[in-house]
Amino acid sequence: KNQVEQSPQSLIILEGKNCTLQCNYTVSPFSNLRWYKQDTGRGPVSLTIMTFSENTKSNGRYTATLDADTKQSSLHITASQLSDSASYICVVSAAYNQAGTALIFGKGTTLSVSS
Amino acid sequence: NAGVTQTPKFQVLKTGQSMTLQCAQDMNHEYMSWYRQDPGMGLRLIHYSVGAGITDQGEVPNGYNVSRSTTEDFPLRLLSAAPSQTSVYFCASSYSTGRVNYYRYEQFFGPGTRLTVL
Repeated sequence: KNQVEQSPQSLIILEGKNCTLQCNYTVSPFSNLRWYKQDTGRGPVSLTIMTFSENTKSNGRYTATLDADTKQSSLHITASQLSDSASYICVVSAAYNQAGTALIFGKGTTLSVSS
Repeated sequence: NAGVTQTPKFQVLKTGQSMTLQCAQDMNHEYMSWYRQDPGMGLRLIHYSVGAGITDQGEVPNGYNVSRSTTEDFPLRLLSAAPSQTSVYFCASSYSTGRVNYYRYEQFFGPGTRLTVL
């Protein structure tokens, strides 16, 4: 069964600290993996997308890694800011997908950054 | 571009009432989808459309209807609201590029509609 598991479920860190969020998946055939950021009361916004041939992708202070062999991805946030407080969702797309109909969503990690 | 817009932002219904959640996009995307998001669960696909006049069911379609008469609009209808449909509803539009086994899609979400059914 296609699944995406994220850990931890929630995380609290101090402003300025780094953190890493994990995503393990069992989607097959794999096409790409995307990390979304969802602020409270808003729709998800894409941070990064990686295909199986890409093992790292950066977007400012966000760096995503992908190990297609172990089916694991991580999202590293550097020098966290209060505005990073949000839910981070890992989404894996199956290879046959064209219309976004075979996207498998993780339940998300809720990050709280405190001052 | 306004992107993906949804109305209303909040709605309270009584059990058995019907209503339509509106979704519109101005990016000329072929693909549109409706998701619901419940606490402790990932986004779940309700219905989707691959173009005007074409719709199909997602993971949790029961109790919902959709139609796609134009590229821009993709309304979601609740036929007879039930408390189990209390949720946050997101509409998304997307397009894909690439070829078989190498598709790369871009998906854009609306701001959501928070629905409470009493």
